[in-house]
Formats: sequence, structure tokens, C-alpha cells
Amino acid sequence: NAGVTQTPKFQVLKTGQSMTLQCAQDMNHEYMSWYRQDPGMGLRLIHYSVGAGITDQGEVPNGYNVSRSTTEDFPLRLLSAAPSQTSVYFCASSYSFGGTEAFFGQGTRLTVV
Amino acid sequence: EDKVVQSPLSLVVHEGDTVTLNCSYEVTNFRSLLWYKQEKKAPTFLFMLTSSGIEKKSGRLSSILDKKELFSILNITATQTGDSAVYLCAVFGNEKLTFGTGTRLTIIP
Repeated sequence: NAGVTQTPKFQVLKTGQSMTLQCAQDMNHEYMSWYRQDPGMGLRLIHYSVGAGITDQGEVPNGYNVSRSTTEDFPLRLLSAAPSQTSVYFCASSYSFGGTEAFFGQGTRLTVV
Repeated sequence: EDKVVQSPLSLVVHEGDTVTLNCSYEVTNFRSLLWYKQEKKAPTFLFMLTSSGIEKKSGRLSSILDKKELFSILNITATQTGDSAVYLCAVFGNEKLTFGTGTRLTIIP
């Protein structure tokens, strides 16, 4: 059982480039979410999804897009990378909203130069 | 706006001491409160709390929730150097899992 798989683990982008961070879970979880973690800021919610075909914005959505075409996958797209998006990104999933723990991927360390 | 506040922001204690970490929240449609431990990688799950007054316990760690006063505490007794980490509190509510900024705990041998 792989759990939550995030790729890549590390990435360096130039300002203005676009990329997609992949997140996949094999636990049939309905709830999935993306966070960014910056020093002293905790985990801030970027986007979340309560099921396939449904997404919504979190606390810091600007510059990011998501889609949820299947239950398993929840990719995060950076449209035009900026140095302010340098961060560690975590994907998380949960079987039901609020009823079980949230499982985390191993994180993606993104640097925008 | 949903809010989760943890205190203290950082804590330095000697090995063997007992520590109490605090988490208060203002979240609509509360479903559950979660505690995580993070050591330079992805957070690892400690506890999930849904009911007031029922203590969850795992070894030297324990936690309790007060839904009337909107807070939770995480206790660690007989601390060890391996307990050094950032402890995160998160609340499921209003369709979102909202995290606090964490408490950085450092255990001095």
C-alpha cells in the first residue's frame, strides 16, 4: 500500500516557468488537499477537494491551479513560477472529512530562481 | 475565517521534564482536532480528538479536547531527545483542515 505519493521530491524552476506537482493516493480517500510550508508559517492551505470533480480554494490559492478528475489524483499546477513560491509543498488525503486522520505525502521542495 | 493558534511558539526543556503544548481554535462546523509531529519531513500522526474530556494516550504522550472552551493540550511526560520536533495542531472544520503554526520543542540532554 503506497499511501500518498508526491513527485518530484525536489525541483528548481526559473521565474516564469510552469510545472505540475503530482499527488496520488491509493486509499480511496475522498478528501485531498495541498499545503505549502514556509519557515515559521506552519502549513497553509492552497487548494482542497472533497471528491472527484470538486475543488475549492484555501488560504493562499493565488498562482496555483488544481483539478480532480479522478479520486486518486490531485495535481497542483504552478502557472508562472515566482520566487515567492519557493517553499515545501505537501499533499494530504483523508478517507472522510474530519472522520479520520490525514495522511501526508513526503513533500516537494521547490526553489524558484 | 478559521483560525488555529498554538502556544508556545518554541520551548526548550531538559530531558526528563514534562511539557504541555496548547492549541486553541476558532473553526466553524468543527469535526475533529488532530495532533502531528514533524521532524524535517512530512508530519506524522499522533492523535485525533472528537469528543470533549476523553483523554487519548500513547506511551508518554497524551491529549485532551475541550469543545466548550475550544482548546486542546498535548502532554509529553519524561521527555527524551527523540521528542525534539515541531508539534502541529490541525482542525477539520468548514470543509478545510486548518493548521496552526506549530510549537518547536527542543529537548536538551
